[in-house]
Amino acid sequence: GAVVSQHPSWVICKSGTSVKIECRSLDFQATTMFWYRQFPKQSLMLMATSNEGSKATYEQGVEKDKFLINHASLTLSTLTVTSAHPEDSSFYICSARDRGETEAFFGQGTRLTVV
Amino acid sequence: GQNIDQPTEMTATEGAIVQINCTYQTSGFNGLFWYQQHAGEAPTFLSYNVLDGLEEKGRFSSFLSRSKGYSYLLLKELQMKDSASYLCAAKDSNYQLIWGAGTKLIIKP
Repeated sequence: GAVVSQHPSWVICKSGTSVKIECRSLDFQATTMFWYRQFPKQSLMLMATSNEGSKATYEQGVEKDKFLINHASLTLSTLTVTSAHPEDSSFYICSARDRGETEAFFGQGTRLTVV
Repeated sequence: GQNIDQPTEMTATEGAIVQINCTYQTSGFNGLFWYQQHAGEAPTFLSYNVLDGLEEKGRFSSFLSRSKGYSYLLLKELQMKDSASYLCAAKDSNYQLIWGAGTKLIIKP
């Protein structure tokens, strides 16, 4: 299957700082990327959907000014958690899908801990 | 509203067969996915059903009944490495994935 690389795998940051998470499709063009958040023992919660070259569509309740998403190329999307707080600590996962394809492939996930 | 229901936890014995059920209620329907997720890892794709019937893929099979809003994932010849959470997700009319909370499968020797 297609490969999606997410970096970093884990990160610890101080409260008030910003953290950037990268999601790259390695062998296909990711026309659509999805960003999810997953709290312990809970299911994935879609945060936003982004299409290459256009602004991301955020789900209700997700602050677009806090979770900045950039999808500037067909192989790269970034999620920046700005002014992180301890409650932002979670497992963040991206997935990417090529145009016309049904299946989206997941990155490895990023465990964010804000102290 | 949109909803996906699946059992929270199931236990099975190594070498046995287990069936994980999923019922869904979505605004429109464009397919149902099953994913496997080991603790601390991202989900991995297992199956996709959009037509009624059974799809078999090695030890894993997935069934869909659109009229009943029902799917199941069947795992045969269980191995210890199959211990994981299994997530059911349905794609709605906007092609958005609606996720279930996952079923934690515990395999005992």
